[in-house]
Amino acid sequence: GNSVTQMEGPVTLSEEAFLTINCTYTATGYPSLFWYVQYPGEGLQLLLKATKADDKGSNKGFEATYRKETTSFHLEKGSVQVSDSAVYFCALSFTINAGNNRKLIWGLGTSLAVNP
Amino acid sequence: DAGVIQSPRHEVTEMGQEVTLRCKPISGHDYLFWYRQTMMRGLELLIYFNNNVPIDDSGMPEDRFSAKMPNASFSTLKIQPSEPRDSAVYFCASRLAGSSYEQYFGPGTRLTVT
Repeated sequence: GNSVTQMEGPVTLSEEAFLTINCTYTATGYPSLFWYVQYPGEGLQLLLKATKADDKGSNKGFEATYRKETTSFHLEKGSVQVSDSAVYFCALSFTINAGNNRKLIWGLGTSLAVNP
Repeated sequence: DAGVIQSPRHEVTEMGQEVTLRCKPISGHDYLFWYRQTMMRGLELLIYFNNNVPIDDSGMPEDRFSAKMPNASFSTLKIQPSEPRDSAVYFCASRLAGSSYEQYFGPGTRLTVT
């Protein structure tokens, strides 16, 4: 079946440190991959996405590359800021029926705390 | 656009009471999703609608949960009777067909059942 596994948190970093949050997936077919971010007290919002193999999604200094050979979509940022403190969710989108309805499968989320 | 609107933002109720959560999706969006978020199970899809029609309700935990979408601008999630294990944050999200499947989330309703 389809599933998403992401590294457990919490992750605690100092400001300007390098960030990696690992995400691997299992899927049939050709899923799209996403990273969503949830700031304290808010709903989730899309951070970046990639819709096919070797695509790189990027936004706000974050990047992730869709690696089909390793079934991975790791999130990276070269220099984190205190304002990046949030929970990060990896997600996979796949088609569930011939009517082109799609479903998102979510990872459990990784909490990131960045200290000044 | 105001984004996805949910009400109430916080709800505290006693076990056995009926709870109704409300959602107004972004105007023009034709998909609406209800999620539940807990520390133990993370983010779970409960049900989603396309053009007001329920498409997949396999995530609804049991018959105590029901969801309706009487029109394109309003949906409700009802729990009757509520139980302490229903305590969670409930999110509503919407998206536009063909939009690379990006979902827009509301701020959530934090439900506490005592």
